[in-house]
Amino acid sequence: KAGVTQTPRYLIKTRGQQVTLSCSPISGHRSVSWYQQTPGQGLQFLFEYFSETQRNKGNFPGRFSGRQFSNSRSEMNVSTLELGDSALYLCASIPGSSGGKETQYFGPGTRLLVL
Amino acid sequence: GESVGLHLPTLSVQEGDNSIINCAYSNSASDYFIWYKQESGKGPQFIIDIRSNMDKRQGQRVTVLLNKTVKHLSLQIAATQPGDSAVYFCAENRAGGTSYGKLTFGQGTILTVHP
Repeated sequence: KAGVTQTPRYLIKTRGQQVTLSCSPISGHRSVSWYQQTPGQGLQFLFEYFSETQRNKGNFPGRFSGRQFSNSRSEMNVSTLELGDSALYLCASIPGSSGGKETQYFGPGTRLLVL
Repeated sequence: GESVGLHLPTLSVQEGDNSIINCAYSNSASDYFIWYKQESGKGPQFIIDIRSNMDKRQGQRVTVLLNKTVKHLSLQIAATQPGDSAVYFCAENRAGGTSYGKLTFGQGTILTVHP
């Protein structure tokens, strides 16, 4: 089975711009979670999607949003970028059959640098 | 609160030694725990998981111990190899509907294995 794919791998943007990141989960997995990783705050949960529905959301401003498509692929969007949004954004693929208590398999991440 | 990655604990061992990485969790409602390994430039890689109805689980060269009384988790790596050098994270998932897809991560421990 192919692993989790995230595109692009690296991205440089300027303040005020917006960005869209993409994640393709493992074939057959139905749920996707997104995380932000920074040196100062570590790994923090952004949101989770299952069957095109957001079921859970972390403590991030409304500038962070996401969606999931019928093929389980997911995108996240950050609008009006700030310098503090520079981070590694990680997508996790989840089987989606056990109501949350499942192993999450991470992709390689998208490294976003905001200048 | 969420994980804070300010000053990561470090553990240095010699090749062939056994390593023990510790993690304290705060939420007594957490019922699923995972250990991840993250190498530089990569996403977290699943190592082993354990549910709250167990106190020990073994994998290949790794053992996870769970002490619910003191809310403590440990990862034991036998015969540590240079390829085990990485940052190790524990993560917890809480029971209940609002926890869908949300893992709360520890700050991480840097393991360095010297040949």
